[in-house]
Amino acid sequence: GENVEQHPSTLSVQEGDSAVIKCTYSDSASNYFPWYKQELGKGPQLIIDIRSNVGEKKDQRIAVTLNKTAKHFSLHITETQPEDSAVYFCAANQGGKLIFGQGTELSVKP
Amino acid sequence: GAVVSQHPSWVICKSGTSVKIECRSLDFQATTMFWYRQFPKQSLMLMATSNEGSKATYEQGVEKDKFLINHASLTLSTLTVTSAHPEDSSFYICSADGDQELQYFGAGTRLSVL
Repeated sequence: GENVEQHPSTLSVQEGDSAVIKCTYSDSASNYFPWYKQELGKGPQLIIDIRSNVGEKKDQRIAVTLNKTAKHFSLHITETQPEDSAVYFCAANQGGKLIFGQGTELSVKP
Repeated sequence: GAVVSQHPSWVICKSGTSVKIECRSLDFQATTMFWYRQFPKQSLMLMATSNEGSKATYEQGVEKDKFLINHASLTLSTLTVTSAHPEDSSFYICSADGDQELQYFGAGTRLSVL
């Protein structure tokens, strides 16, 4: 089955710096890759997603890149702000389900 | 749009009792809903896939007689934790399947079993 690996597990950056989180997947049939942000005690919120027919997608300060050949995708957050501090999860689809990475705890220091 | 409401947000119960958690899609119909469990500082683990009008599909290792799922309408799925024990204490999260495999998540339910 699908296996999604996410790195790093924790990431600390200064406000205004960029943050990059990387994920790899194992099933070449996966074609949908969402990223979720989860704040403490809350459910995950979709922040951006990408499908396998494109290599990059941007939404203001957030971007996602996908390399199908290498089976990896990355989340890029520019100009980080303290309110970006949260746990971020990547996921890949398989058989109508989402398989999640282990999560990255991002801390943005003012 | 695409709001998923989950209730209750927090529940405390005594060991041996049953607890029901509701998951509603407020502004769209969801043929499929998913139930996840999340332990502190861990990822989301899929427990079961709930399809409207049919039996839920449980992931390996999840006891279907302990975690009863009902998806009686296109906007409501329920998870009942039967005979709860302290080890069932966790954060339970539902999601509803939108268009093109998008999943919209509820806010989660924190279950504490004393």
